[in-house]
Amino acid sequence: DIQMTQSPSLLSASVGDRVTLNCKASQNIYKNLAWYQQKLGEAPKLLIYNANSLQTGIPSRFSGSGSGTDFTLTISSLQPEDVATYFCQQYYSGMNTFGAGTKLELK
Amino acid sequence: QVTLKESGPGMLQPSKTLSLTCSFSGFSLSTSGMVVSWIRQPSGKSLEWLAAIDWDGDKYYNPSLKSRLTVSKDTSNTQVFLKITSVDIADTATYYCARSQGYYSSYMGFWGPGTMVTVSS
Repeated sequence: DIQMTQSPSLLSASVGDRVTLNCKASQNIYKNLAWYQQKLGEAPKLLIYNANSLQTGIPSRFSGSGSGTDFTLTISSLQPEDVATYFCQQYYSGMNTFGAGTKLELK
Repeated sequence: QVTLKESGPGMLQPSKTLSLTCSFSGFSLSTSGMVVSWIRQPSGKSLEWLAAIDWDGDKYYNPSLKSRLTVSKDTSNTQVFLKITSVDIADTATYYCARSQGYYSSYMGFWGPGTMVTVSS
């Protein structure tokens, strides 16, 4: 199986900060990567697919980049409603696998 | 508008069979390219993909759990089911169903709210 490693596991930032979350695949997954946001008690919500395509209805402050094994989710200006856990998911292999998540909190 | 909703027993005893239902609207699983997956999440932990079924009735399983899983759909193509045999405490989790398109190994754009399952004697 392809392993997904997210860093950091916990990130504290202030409103208005530019925030970067990382995801690393154990092998080349090209651009077959998605990012999800999960707020407490809710289901995951798709933010980004194909590494850098913004899902319909998602604010433009969210962006994704990367290919191969290294990927980044960036929030250009952190808002209070962005407090959540963020998961990456690879779908290159015949098995969907998720990272352990990055918990984003307000400083 | 695409919506999905999971239902299950809430609690069951170890060694029993867990039966889950995903009821959805806004699309038909008979439409080419549609896929419904099951994913679970133990409290405070990450997500684990379990199984999927596509518009053609093809079924896909997580290899580590394959021997215990059965995914199926109803003839009206508005419900998908998952059975997990011989459950134990490690199967305690919130179970989600989600829709993707094109291939079972894909991003999932629509999710249900989840149903919590506790395995306890």
